[in-house]
Amino acid sequence: QKEVEQDPGPLSVPEGAIVSLNCTYSNSAFQYFMWYRQYSRKGPELLMYTYSSGNKEDGRFTAQVDKSSKYISLFIRDSQPSDSATYLCAMSGYAGKSTFGDGTTLTVKP
Amino acid sequence: EAGVAQSPRYKIIEKRQSVAFWCNPISGHATLYWYQQILGQGPKLLIQFQNNGVVDDSQLPKDRFSAERLKGVDSTLKIQPAKLEDSAVYLCASSSNQGVTSYEQYFGPGTRLTVT
Repeated sequence: QKEVEQDPGPLSVPEGAIVSLNCTYSNSAFQYFMWYRQYSRKGPELLMYTYSSGNKEDGRFTAQVDKSSKYISLFIRDSQPSDSATYLCAMSGYAGKSTFGDGTTLTVKP
Repeated sequence: EAGVAQSPRYKIIEKRQSVAFWCNPISGHATLYWYQQILGQGPKLLIQFQNNGVVDDSQLPKDRFSAERLKGVDSTLKIQPAKLEDSAVYLCASSSNQGVTSYEQYFGPGTRLTVT
């Protein structure tokens, strides 16, 4: 079993929809939770970063961490065609090494 | 601020040949990572450097892969000899070592390797 499992998708939604992307994990040592966006043929780009449990909002993006359930989510409000990309969750313990999920590919249709 | 630079962007080689990738991290970033990303999967850490010392190389296939970071700046990753299963994108990332920002990794565009 992988340490980080991500909903595989792909996901296709109409423009303006609310998108929910999810990951579960098994390693209780994870303390830092990141979401990266990766456009085709590009490197991942850090979107949001949360320490421990709770919510964090940045514009149309909200990250949620529930450590008791070992479950994290990224919500995208008012999705745009420019949000079409692969979204990767990643998690780190105190040593700094990040473990990535396999990504969910999102397509937002105009 | 210039981003992480990688070269070449694409490389096609035959199996059993050797190949090398180069990475120049963001200026001032002490930590450098090499990842392998196979199509349809997330990045898998191969090796992590702190300055010019190795922090983690537990997933580096040391019989064929090697990496170095001389002078704590640029880094090269080498594969010799290459196998078909090495076909992937090789990503370089860097981060500062200033407290919590050490978890913010900045990625380069990657080198897409095809082994035939």
